[in-house]
Amino acid sequence: DAGITQSPRHKVTETGTPVTLRCHQTENHRYMYWYRQDPGHGLRLIHYSYGVKDTDKGEVSDGYSVSRSKTEDFLLTLESATSSQTSVYFCAIKAGTGPGSNNSPLHFGNGTRLTVT
Amino acid sequence: AQKITQTQPGMFVQEKEAVTLDCTYDTSDPSYGLFWYKQPSSGEMIFLIYQGSYDQQNATEGRYSLNFQKARKSANLVISASQLGDSAMYFCAMREAVNNAGNMLTFGGGTRLMVKP
Repeated sequence: DAGITQSPRHKVTETGTPVTLRCHQTENHRYMYWYRQDPGHGLRLIHYSYGVKDTDKGEVSDGYSVSRSKTEDFLLTLESATSSQTSVYFCAIKAGTGPGSNNSPLHFGNGTRLTVT
Repeated sequence: AQKITQTQPGMFVQEKEAVTLDCTYDTSDPSYGLFWYKQPSSGEMIFLIYQGSYDQQNATEGRYSLNFQKARKSANLVISASQLGDSAMYFCAMREAVNNAGNMLTFGGGTRLMVKP
């Protein structure tokens, strides 16, 4: 158990409303990631963080922003939700920071199912 | 262009038989890693096995093994003695060297495996 909690687990929201998803980890991991999962696309990286206040864009970052004001929390915000953002969102962490940690897999939270109507 | 390709959207296998799930990848980075994940119907992402680009031997982990053919850029997952609990989505993912990104992974579209009793 990598100590990752995502909240909420399910959310239904209307087009145009802002939405924030939270990822909380308890083990002081440096790297955190937000992915979305859609049928046929696997998981695609939205944003990632390599430290407090250090974030960067992933493959599908348009329409999303992130913040990491403390090590344990990585927030994903949809500024104005659209139906195309209906998806399952996964947060992940990478354990370890040294050169040998390149072998380390990502550990995922249980996901947030977001529906935008 | 797709970096990770899983050409089998769905597969059936008889219980107790072996099955191979295909994964091909594309990278120009000499240092990379390949990961396989399992996603059962409950939705969590479970790490199965890792293969580094410089590893001399194919990775094995219990009933899971990787048929790593570097020249062909393929990293197929072999599951021996299939069990009903192996029914799930399986994702192949690749890590490339990216500054500040830790183990940012790129995923394939997945293969749904169904084990028949």
